[in-house]
Amino acid sequence: QVQLVQSGAEVKKPGASVKVSCKASGYTFTNYGISWVRQAPGQGLEWMGWISAYNGNTNYAQNFQGRVTLTTDTSTSTAYMELRSLRSDDTAIYYCARDPVKYCTTTSCYTVDDNWFDPWGQGTLVTVSS
Amino acid sequence: QLVLTQSPSASASLGASVKLTCTLSSGHSTYAITWHQQQPEKGPRYLMKVNSDGSHRKGGGIPDRFSGSSSGAERYLTISSLQSEDEADYYCQTWATGIRVFGGGTKLTVL
Repeated sequence: QVQLVQSGAEVKKPGASVKVSCKASGYTFTNYGISWVRQAPGQGLEWMGWISAYNGNTNYAQNFQGRVTLTTDTSTSTAYMELRSLRSDDTAIYYCARDPVKYCTTTSCYTVDDNWFDPWGQGTLVTVSS
Repeated sequence: QLVLTQSPSASASLGASVKLTCTLSSGHSTYAITWHQQQPEKGPRYLMKVNSDGSHRKGGGIPDRFSGSSSGAERYLTISSLQSEDEADYYCQTWATGIRVFGGGTKLTVL
């Protein structure tokens, strides 16, 4: 079945970086994108960005521009999210989710199907503490 | 600006029905949305996509008790025959080129 499996929990000091992985299985990785979403303790869902597994194009949420980098390794069907200059308020669970947008041109985006954020990864807890 | 608004909380009795609302911001009333369920201490789970005409398509394994509908800028999630496991946070989500947006979530309590 379609599945996204994320890497394990991380503890980082303020100012450090963290890189979370998300390994996909059960579908053709390059036919979809991957979105990353985080959830701070007791808070709602916050979209961080999207990457096309087809061509590596990215879109980042304004709140994370310049501090996050999304990448993929198509040989292993794995997506990565790196967040730099960590602060205590970056403590959160980070989720990857399959995104139906395969790629975008300058004028439009191509979606494979209607299944937005389906499925989700199991989440990775990142704790930032001195 | 594309914004989704949800009531922070809702409650209904075991076996009853509840209708949760997600409101699209002005100028975006034709957008489709998706609903996601997050049970306590678990990750989110995709429920369905709801179109502006009220049609909806559920994800695999989602019970028939869950349905979607629309009216104007409002998108709804109706859960009938409420069960204890339906107690969860429910998020709506939408998209435009280059962005994805989540509503603030509704915490559903089953009494």
